[in-house]
Amino acid sequence: DSGVTQTPKHLITATGQRVTLRCSPRSGDLSVYWYQQSLDQGLQFLIQYYNGEERAKGNILERFSAQQFPDLHSELNLSSLELGDSALYFCASSEGLGTDTQYFGPGTRLTVL
Amino acid sequence: QKEVEQDPGPLSVPEGAIVSLNCTYSNSAFQYFMWYRQYSRKGPELLMYTYSSGNKEDGRFTAQVDKSSKYISLFIRDSQPSDSATYLCAMIRRGNNRLAFGKGNQVVVIP
Repeated sequence: DSGVTQTPKHLITATGQRVTLRCSPRSGDLSVYWYQQSLDQGLQFLIQYYNGEERAKGNILERFSAQQFPDLHSELNLSSLELGDSALYFCASSEGLGTDTQYFGPGTRLTVL
Repeated sequence: QKEVEQDPGPLSVPEGAIVSLNCTYSNSAFQYFMWYRQYSRKGPELLMYTYSSGNKEDGRFTAQVDKSSKYISLFIRDSQPSDSATYLCAMIRRGNNRLAFGKGNQVVVIP
């Protein structure tokens, strides 16, 4: 158990809908990262937050947004969902901003029908 | 060309064999190298973390980095059925927190 928790485990929704994925980092970790894992693209970095502030952006679509709250938990919002958004979404956390080890949560499996 | 290349072909080996996995990368700015193990329907877990060229051992696992060739490897000695998983290489540039992953190798160790 990495100490990173994600809810829900599974999400099934329809095209055009909006969903929110939630992540709680390990105790003491200030950085939260979101990754998307699909069969064709592998694990892709989406976005990073550090102590409530956005610090880095990867290939995140404009339909996707995230935030980190004062208690350090983070939410990833996915809107106007398309079939191609079906994937595993992982959250990871690390202590700081540097090249610290990133610990991954168990993921949320999103299925868009 | 992708930043990190890992031949995603599955690998089946008999129990006790040596498993050899590798990745190549194109950007010499990558300075820190990791191997993650991912069991089916689970999140990746860190196996090895190294930042210098050469070998690093941890039990049955050896990570090898050759920065001049932009090539990293993972060796698993005396493989066990419990080693059956997907192995992902990952790397980070200095001053950047974004992990760049290879596509992963599915390894099956047959008892």
